[in-house]
Amino acid sequence: EDQVTQSPEALRLQEGESSSLNCSYTVSGLRGLFWYRQDPGKGPEFLFTLYSAGEEKEKERLKATLTKKESFLHITAPKPEDSATYLCAVLNYGGSQGNLIFGKGTKLSVKP
Amino acid sequence: GAGVSQTPSNKVTEKGKYVELRCDPISGHTALYWYRQSLGQGPEFLIYFQGTGAADDSGLPNDRFFAVRPEGSVSTLKIQRTERGDSAVYLCASSRSAGGTGEQYFGPGTRLTVT
Repeated sequence: EDQVTQSPEALRLQEGESSSLNCSYTVSGLRGLFWYRQDPGKGPEFLFTLYSAGEEKEKERLKATLTKKESFLHITAPKPEDSATYLCAVLNYGGSQGNLIFGKGTKLSVKP
Repeated sequence: GAGVSQTPSNKVTEKGKYVELRCDPISGHTALYWYRQSLGQGPEFLIYFQGTGAADDSGLPNDRFFAVRPEGSVSTLKIQRTERGDSAVYLCASSRSAGGTGEQYFGPGTRLTVT
């Protein structure tokens, strides 16, 4: 069964304290892996798509990487405005083209 | 440009009632998706449309749930005989086409509460 597991469930950082969020996945054939940011009371906001192992993408203080079994979202020198829930999702070749499978998310809190 | 919009933002209904939730996708996006998100969980896929047709409805939990997209733009998610377990945030997303880059853009959601 296709599965996405994110860890940790919650992460508290001091401003400027770099860290990483993990997303491990089990799918029959990975079509793409997606990172979203979700603020309270809002819909998920698209951040990155990764397609193949070894791929990396960056946006401001965030960098996403992908291996054959997991993805990491690295946060460098975070600021309080980076506080949000970060969701990982996968799209597989075996399933529907539209069926994103999400993890439960990592709730990140950055204190000033 | 305008993003995905959903109405209403909040809906409170009594158990057993019928509800309709509306989604306006980004202009020009041919694919539209419905997800449901419970507290502390990631979004759970319900159904997706490519144009007017439902390309995959495998996520609909039972036959009380139905969705339409008659003109290939606006979509309505319909829930009959609502149950307390239907309470959740219903999210709509759209993309230029299904699959492909898979970049789905989400609306703010409709929070449904069944009392």
